[in-house]
Amino acid sequence: DAKTTQPTSMDCAEGRAANLPCNHSTISGNEYVYWYRQIHSQGPQYIIHGLKNNETNEMASLIITEDRKSSTLILPHATLRDTAVYYCIVRDYNYGQNFVFGPGTRLSVLP
Amino acid sequence: NAGVMQNPRHLVRRRGQEARLRCSPMKGHSHVYWYRQLPEEGLKFMVYLQKENIIDESGMPKERFSAEFPKEGPSILRIQQVVRGDSAAYFCASSRQVQETQYFGPGTRLLVL
Repeated sequence: DAKTTQPTSMDCAEGRAANLPCNHSTISGNEYVYWYRQIHSQGPQYIIHGLKNNETNEMASLIITEDRKSSTLILPHATLRDTAVYYCIVRDYNYGQNFVFGPGTRLSVLP
Repeated sequence: NAGVMQNPRHLVRRRGQEARLRCSPMKGHSHVYWYRQLPEEGLKFMVYLQKENIIDESGMPKERFSAEFPKEGPSILRIQQVVRGDSAAYFCASSRQVQETQYFGPGTRLLVL
């Protein structure tokens, strides 16, 4: 079973920031937080991952709370092409092999 | 640098036939993972292979399904005597090391008639 909980769906206006929350209250010290997205049944696309510190790349920012029990993925300027299912996954760095995908959050970016 | 490649992208089989799905990992990646996504469901892990070895097949059905990753050539997921319930999207992912990020291919959509 997935170790994360996410809202089932969210809407965001085009051009605005999309903030996708994720709870992972049972996360352990060796577990990273990963975010993937799946656009209309395509293969999952890697977005970003982090352990403790906030992370930023060309796609998004990842904000992890100090206690690591929750995180937020931020798409700074959402476009229609960002409409997708977003998956938050925790994975053990040392022993993790497969990713356990939950149902994710269905983000709809509206014009 | 080419991403993970899968072929065919679409495969139609009649019940009882065999399906062979191929996955070429990203260059420099020696770890391959297969996932299945049933209609309107999330991805489920099936099997993890490293060159010539099956490391974890805990998610693979015990019968009719097999996977290999030979020294040369792509990884192959083989489904024998397909049934309608095998209709799904099958995704392959690869990573350079087991701890590192997995990158997914576009998937093969199998339809069993």
